[in-house]
Amino acid sequence: ETGVTQTPRHLVMGMTNKKSLKCEQHLGHNAMYWYKQSAKKPLELMFVYSLEERVENNSVPSRFSPECPNSSHLFLHLHTLQPEDSALYLCASSTFKYNEQFFGPGTRLTVL
Amino acid sequence: QKEVEQNSGPLSVPEGAIASLNCTYSDRGSQSFFWYRQYSGKSPELIMFIYSNGDKEDGRFTAQLNKASQYVSLLIRDSQPSDSATYLCAAGYGNKLVFGAGTILRVKS
Repeated sequence: ETGVTQTPRHLVMGMTNKKSLKCEQHLGHNAMYWYKQSAKKPLELMFVYSLEERVENNSVPSRFSPECPNSSHLFLHLHTLQPEDSALYLCASSTFKYNEQFFGPGTRLTVL
Repeated sequence: QKEVEQNSGPLSVPEGAIASLNCTYSDRGSQSFFWYRQYSGKSPELIMFIYSNGDKEDGRFTAQLNKASQYVSLLIRDSQPSDSATYLCAAGYGNKLVFGAGTILRVKS
């Protein structure tokens, strides 16, 4: 595997389900990010982890819960989501010093 | 509030022409600027970044930065139909990137 990978690529869940998104980076980076991309809206930064420590939580509802067990892996745990949470969820990574961020392919989430 | 503004387009150019994409940013605190290309249904792909005033060239792409005017642009020379995509401009603040909503570029053959 190279670059940034994300699984699953597509996810359909009900409002009462619990699911997790997984991201893995193979670039030797030490910062990882979760973004939300909704139609016709700018990319919204959700969380930033630097050296496995959360440094940013951009007023994201508690139904989204991130986890970063090491510098290569990032998870986004989802529970009791709303239909308006349907979007493309993107993971990215960068070095801590330079901000060139590289994105994974994304998870297309649909909440019914 | 940190904002990045882009014309949503679509910007239509004929094949072989120069496409000029522009963006402005609101907060002078940014020291780094990025252009991403996003094809429909795909994730953003980094194509250029620029930190200093002036021009930076990479193949058919030239990024231009004017910090006094808070203005960033991307020129694509010899535009190809494969360049048709949404182009996202982003300004960097520490560990964060603030993105514009993107400009749709259509290159017609």
